[in-house]
Amino acid sequence: NAGVTQTPKFQVLKTGQSMTLQCAQDMNHEYMSWYRQDPGMGLRLIHYSVGAGITDQGEVPNGYNVSRSTTEDFPLRLLSAAPSQTSVYFCASSYSSGQGSYTFGSGTRLTVV
Amino acid sequence: AQSVTQPDIHITVSEGASLELRCNYSYGATPYLFWYVQSPGQGLQLLLKYFSGDTLVQGIKGFEAEFKRSQSSFNLRKPSVHWSDAAEYFCAVGALAAGNKLTFGGGTRVLVKP
Repeated sequence: NAGVTQTPKFQVLKTGQSMTLQCAQDMNHEYMSWYRQDPGMGLRLIHYSVGAGITDQGEVPNGYNVSRSTTEDFPLRLLSAAPSQTSVYFCASSYSSGQGSYTFGSGTRLTVV
Repeated sequence: AQSVTQPDIHITVSEGASLELRCNYSYGATPYLFWYVQSPGQGLQLLLKYFSGDTLVQGIKGFEAEFKRSQSSFNLRKPSVHWSDAAEYFCAVGALAAGNKLTFGGGTRVLVKP
């Protein structure tokens, strides 16, 4: 089925560990983004990409890295996990002409202990 | 910088009653506005969007929203709610000139009483 696939769905990390959240889309969307969702704060943009090889920072980029080597994949790396990074992470994609009509993945729930 | 405020954190409504969710935005230019819905454990689904033209926008699942520039508002309405409308609703404003970046409000959780 066409859409945005995120893995894993759940993850528990210890403080200081690193990991990569995977995101893949099969709709040939140019734009991809990572958001984190925290209670009462809505979704906040971490990083985004407007095409392969091009990434930029969002509102809350500290502690995260991204790369976009292909149109399909947009992994999010946590360099040294901290309890403040406990959150639900969503990947989203859209056409460049999509005017904000993003397709969202089902999310990754991350707990850092 | 743009911002979105959803004043109501929780709303409880009886099944069959009408629903209105409030959204106020701040943006320096003509806004692109969206409402998304999130069911428990799911990602977000686009309900409707406003770019220009008619200020009353129709969406999926019987929802509509009205853009009022003078009030900087984009409120979401449904005439008669169904139990399946219980979810969290997010208003968002888009910065389309900068990679389609969306700024979300804090969300409103809707509970539906039988």
